[in-house]
Amino acid sequence: KQEVTQIPAALSVPEGENLVLNCSFTDSAIYNLQWFRQDPGKGLTSLLLIQSSQREQTSGRLNASLDKSSGRSTLYIAASQPGDSATYLCAVQTGANNLFFGTGTRLTVIP
Amino acid sequence: NAGVTQTPKFRVLKTGQSMTLLCAQDMNHEYMYWYRQDPGMGLRLIHYSVGEGTTAKGEVPDGYNVSRLKKQNFLLGLESAAPSQTSVYFCASSTWTGGGEQYFGPGTRLTVT
Repeated sequence: KQEVTQIPAALSVPEGENLVLNCSFTDSAIYNLQWFRQDPGKGLTSLLLIQSSQREQTSGRLNASLDKSSGRSTLYIAASQPGDSATYLCAVQTGANNLFFGTGTRLTVIP
Repeated sequence: NAGVTQTPKFRVLKTGQSMTLLCAQDMNHEYMYWYRQDPGMGLRLIHYSVGEGTTAKGEVPDGYNVSRLKKQNFLLGLESAAPSQTSVYFCASSTWTGGGEQYFGPGTRLTVT
């Protein structure tokens, strides 16, 4: 069974700092990897989707990379802002309908 | 577009009671999913549907039933609620499986006492 791990579980950074969130997975046979943001008491908002044939995706200040062979993905956030404070989840899709989630990294950006 | 909506937002049940959670999407997506989110365990797939009239089991289907009578709606039923079903339930939809981005609803927080 696919296992997805996110380290660290929590991270605090001062505003303006660049930061990297990590995601690792055990089975490299994936369709895609998706990064989500979850605000407290809210649903998940999709940030970036990387197909298995891609190496990275960018959206604004966010850049996600994928290294399938090593089972790793990183989410890079540039020039962090207090509004970036949330829990970030990664999920990998394997098989027809299996989306496996990590338990997330709770990010706090301190003004 | 409203995207994916869920009803109700909160609910408290007593053990043994039944209820139905409703998920609706207005994006004409073929695929719909129900997940539960528990502290320290991440989201886990309960049931999913690849089209109107079809449903299938996910990772943790026991104690739940689903129906997809209309393309835009996906219902999750609890026939006899148990405290272990206390969780936050999320519905999601996507254009196609194996590569489509999943869009999530706001969630339903269910407490079973």
